[in-house]
Amino acid sequence: GAGVSQSPRYKVAKRGQDVALRCDPISGHVSLFWYQQALGQGPEFLTYFQNEAQLDKSGLPSDRFFAERPEGSVSTLKIQRTQQEDSAVYLCASSLGGEAQYFGPGTRLLVL
Amino acid sequence: AQSVTQLDSQVPVFEEAPVELRCNYSSSVSVYLFWYVQYPNQGLQLLLKYLSGSTLVKGINGFEAEFNKSQTSFHLRKPSVHISDTAEYFCAVSEQSYKYIFGTGTRLKVLA
Repeated sequence: GAGVSQSPRYKVAKRGQDVALRCDPISGHVSLFWYQQALGQGPEFLTYFQNEAQLDKSGLPSDRFFAERPEGSVSTLKIQRTQQEDSAVYLCASSLGGEAQYFGPGTRLLVL
Repeated sequence: AQSVTQLDSQVPVFEEAPVELRCNYSSSVSVYLFWYVQYPNQGLQLLLKYLSGSTLVKGINGFEAEFNKSQTSFHLRKPSVHISDTAEYFCAVSEQSYKYIFGTGTRLKVLA
């Protein structure tokens, strides 16, 4: 079956520009997660949705980061007024229950 | 607070030799443990998981891991590696909740 998909795969933004990253989870997966992976590091938790409810956003680094999942399926991570330190790979994952998370290919964001 | 330590940042090994990638975690409660593999420019693929039961867990691609509660370890092993196993490997822990904590990764380089 289809896995988690993310778009775009690569994004180059000028500092100060707003960006939107999309995640399509595995069909039927109620839980959705966003992670940020800096170069040479492991993924770090950003936020968690159960259906359309954002239950945990404790990992979002600043109020410039915003995530939504309005209909409980597709999710969008938005970064306003991008800064160079936002350059990273943004990974989306989904899960059916609490057992394992399945990751998408990621969006590589480069802020110039 | 829970944490994950992958002491080896890089592990070179010759093809057909055995390999062990080390993972230690800290947590005061029961945990779930995971190993993921990341190929260049791709997302994370689940190799195996420990949730409960047998402490020896078998995963995909011939990998296995052993949960050792007293040593708080979850080392990954493969008896004979292939060139195609060259990738980055991440250990992750969760305190039986949705939030995963990842290690910093171990880059496995298989040499011909």
